[in-house]
Amino acid sequence: KNEVEQSPQNLTAQEGEFITINCSYSVGISALHWLQQHPGGGIVSLFMLSSGKKKHGRLIATINIQEKHSSLHITASHPRDSAVYICAVTGNQFYFGTGTSLTVIP
Amino acid sequence: NAGVTQTPKFRVLKTGQSMTLLCAQDMNHEYMYWYRQDPGMGLRLIHYSVGEGTTAKGEVPDGYNVSRLKKQNFLLGLESAAPSQTSVYFCASSGQLLYGYTFGSGTRLTVV
Repeated sequence: KNEVEQSPQNLTAQEGEFITINCSYSVGISALHWLQQHPGGGIVSLFMLSSGKKKHGRLIATINIQEKHSSLHITASHPRDSAVYICAVTGNQFYFGTGTSLTVIP
Repeated sequence: NAGVTQTPKFRVLKTGQSMTLLCAQDMNHEYMYWYRQDPGMGLRLIHYSVGEGTTAKGEVPDGYNVSRLKKQNFLLGLESAAPSQTSVYFCASSGQLLYGYTFGSGTRLTVV
């Protein structure tokens, strides 16, 4: 049983496209995190949010607590956005999704 | 640059050998964590620490031991490596429990 489900698992987009990655969770949470893992393996924390919406550059993260759902949007996608995006939630422990592998083609 | 440093980055072990993975952070974080990442399974918590001298079990602690003798260091030990422990290991630290993580770059361990 996965407490955190992400969709799609894999995504290929043309440079410039608007991208959405979805995350649904089944546990009570105090915060939701979006992480980025590049092909080299390093993991970077992009957002931590508990309500509403956050924006950083071309990245936008939203969360709907009632629906237990979050989305990560990338506007004007670029090949350097190619990475695995991981959704994680903080409840009584940390639950991780299995990630969405994004490839942006020039 | 401030952050979390893991050593080594790669290691190949024979079944039954032992080794220690080192995680060091220079952000004065109280909390440190060891995760393993396997294909199709996401990150899973092995052990964590809420402060110097403390450790606690996570989701998959069997076969691993940890120590936090100094606040900045969190060691992960494998006493008798098994092929099932082939994985990528990530260390992370945070200033609050489960909040505001900084991750290390990972250690790729292969047990043959």
